[in-house]
Amino acid sequence: AQSVSQHNHHVILSEAASLELGCNYSYGGTVNLFWYVQYPGQHLQLLLKYFSGDPLVKGIKGFEAEFIKSKFSFNLRKPSVQWSDTAEYFCAVNTGRSYIPTFGRGTSLIVHP
Amino acid sequence: DSGVTQTPKHLITATGQRVTLRCSPRSGDLSVYWYQQSLDQGLQFLIQYYNGEERAKGNILERFSAQQFPDLHSELNLSSLELGDSALYFCASSAGRDNQPQHFGDGTRLSIL
Repeated sequence: AQSVSQHNHHVILSEAASLELGCNYSYGGTVNLFWYVQYPGQHLQLLLKYFSGDPLVKGIKGFEAEFIKSKFSFNLRKPSVQWSDTAEYFCAVNTGRSYIPTFGRGTSLIVHP
Repeated sequence: DSGVTQTPKHLITATGQRVTLRCSPRSGDLSVYWYQQSLDQGLQFLIQYYNGEERAKGNILERFSAQQFPDLHSELNLSSLELGDSALYFCASSAGRDNQPQHFGDGTRLSIL
């Protein structure tokens, strides 16, 4: 079965700093990759997804992620964070064998104004 | 607003008790997914229903059961509750049968005393 690792459990940044959150998965076959965001007290929302094609994926709110197959990674990036980006971020993966995504443990991001 | 409604938002009960969590999917969605989010286990997939039938099963305990009714709302029943069942229980929905959950509810926070 696939698994997802998010190595950064807590990240604290100041506004305007650049962000990169790590995500690695373990599965040798075809994967679909997702990043979700959960703002305080709100439901999970899809930030971006990768199914195929250009490995650099643009999402909402200025986020992007790059799929590097050789590294089994799908890191999330944003060049300049805002206070409103304070949230929990989850990486997830599903495969051709199981469409139910497996989620990472999440990364808590706090952005100081 | 995701369109997915979960009730109640908070539930406090004691060990050994039984509770029922309710979820109404986004209008037009036929699939309902249940997830458990806890500090030690992260976001775990429990079960999926599609148009009234069980479609996929994850890490759901035998003490837990779910069903989806003809009006497509779903209920998750948790019985013989233990302290470790304290968690946030999410419901999600999607239109299709074999795809990932797309719209998430705000969750029910279950606290076992």
